[in-house]
Amino acid sequence: DGGITQSPKYLFRKEGQNVTLSCEQNLNHDAMYWYRQDPGQGLRLIYYSQIVNDFQKGDIAEGYSVSREKKESFPLTVTSAQKNPTAFYLCASSIEAGSGHEQYFGPGTRLTVT
Amino acid sequence: GNSVTQMEGPVTLSEEAFLTINCTYTATGYPSLFWYVQYPGEGLQLLLKATKADDKGSNKGFEATYRKETTSFHLEKGSVQVSDSAVYFCALAVFSGGYNKLIFGAGTRLAVHP
Repeated sequence: DGGITQSPKYLFRKEGQNVTLSCEQNLNHDAMYWYRQDPGQGLRLIYYSQIVNDFQKGDIAEGYSVSREKKESFPLTVTSAQKNPTAFYLCASSIEAGSGHEQYFGPGTRLTVT
Repeated sequence: GNSVTQMEGPVTLSEEAFLTINCTYTATGYPSLFWYVQYPGEGLQLLLKATKADDKGSNKGFEATYRKETTSFHLEKGSVQVSDSAVYFCALAVFSGGYNKLIFGAGTRLAVHP
């Protein structure tokens, strides 16, 4: 079965530590995305990547970094510079970045920083 | 700018009741429109979509019609079930800056009671 996997489902970290969230897809999609979801709010775009070795900042990129060394993988690092990192993080992919293509989402990682 | 407005929740219904969740949008150009559903603790799943005016998207008994004249994409279901309890997100996709940007509403929580 094709899909998007995110691991782990729950992640706990101490303030001041960097943490990397995993996202893998076997859908052969070119485009991948990272979103952040806070309680009672819609999703906000952190970073996106249209092809391997390319990525662009979204609406709330400060305090985050990404890499896209392989088509299947798009890990997100939450750095200590992110002021309010506790949130639910969702990874998504689409066939390509063109208009009209729906995005498919992973199950998400809930990050808690104390 | 581009934005999506959904009716505030929670929406509480009895099983077999009729459901309407309102969604209106503001966008330049001709966006594609989507409804996504999020079950507790999970990622988002695409429920239905419409890519041009007067298109009707449908899936699992849910329907929504792309109304350009009223800039709306209201979600309806004739008879809800307890298993429909979830958060529903309306979204639009615009091709901006070289990629397919998804803009989400804040979500509407639906609770269906037996």
